[in-house]
Amino acid sequence: QSALTQPASVSGSPGQSITISCTGTSSDVGDYNYVSWYQQHPGKAPKLMIYDVSNRPSGVSNRFSGSKSGNTASLTISGLQAEDEADYYCSSYTSSGTLVLFGGGTKLTVL
Amino acid sequence: EVQLLESGGGLVQSGGSLRLSCAASGFTFSAYAMSWVRQAPGKGLEWVSGVSGSGGSIYYTDSVKGRFTVSRDNSRNTLYLQVSSLRPEDTAVYYCARAIRWLQSHDYWGQGTLVTVSS
Repeated sequence: QSALTQPASVSGSPGQSITISCTGTSSDVGDYNYVSWYQQHPGKAPKLMIYDVSNRPSGVSNRFSGSKSGNTASLTISGLQAEDEADYYCSSYTSSGTLVLFGGGTKLTVL
Repeated sequence: EVQLLESGGGLVQSGGSLRLSCAASGFTFSAYAMSWVRQAPGKGLEWVSGVSGSGGSIYYTDSVKGRFTVSRDNSRNTLYLQVSSLRPEDTAVYYCARAIRWLQSHDYWGQGTLVTVSS
């Protein structure tokens, strides 16, 4: 089963907002409200930023928000900060044999 | 504080085997499903395997079926991944991660253990 589709890179200036898309199919993103977003800094483990499409774990800044429309989910980061520069991965639960799909990752550069 | 600590990685020849371990602390281990997720050098995340809290439900991604075996010892708060018939494309950092509900998301991750398969 194919991975979810994310843009390879996005960039923005401090204080701006950016949005990262994550496109799947009607068997994963479109069928379940189980989309997650992870932040990964170089050499570090992934960190959960959003789960169940739009829920933030305790301790995650409210500058991070998630949404979904049809087969595409989105992560929006508002008020960009230098520390937000990282790789971001989306993930979705799927009822297919591979129960968990990840996107290919998006490198966020804060200019 | 939730902690996950992987170990057991290393350099192995193609066709070889390793047993990866993930020691958990800071939560009731048996109450949570767990996953193994890997990341090849410079590449993205790939879910490898998941196991329910009791160990009774187990799933694998297609590329490792028949070669990898996940298990858990709830008395030792430890998750395992036996990796066999290794191929160069299995080279990756292997992370264990705690699942939310049944693999719908993963809220805590270990620091990873590197498996390098030489040809």
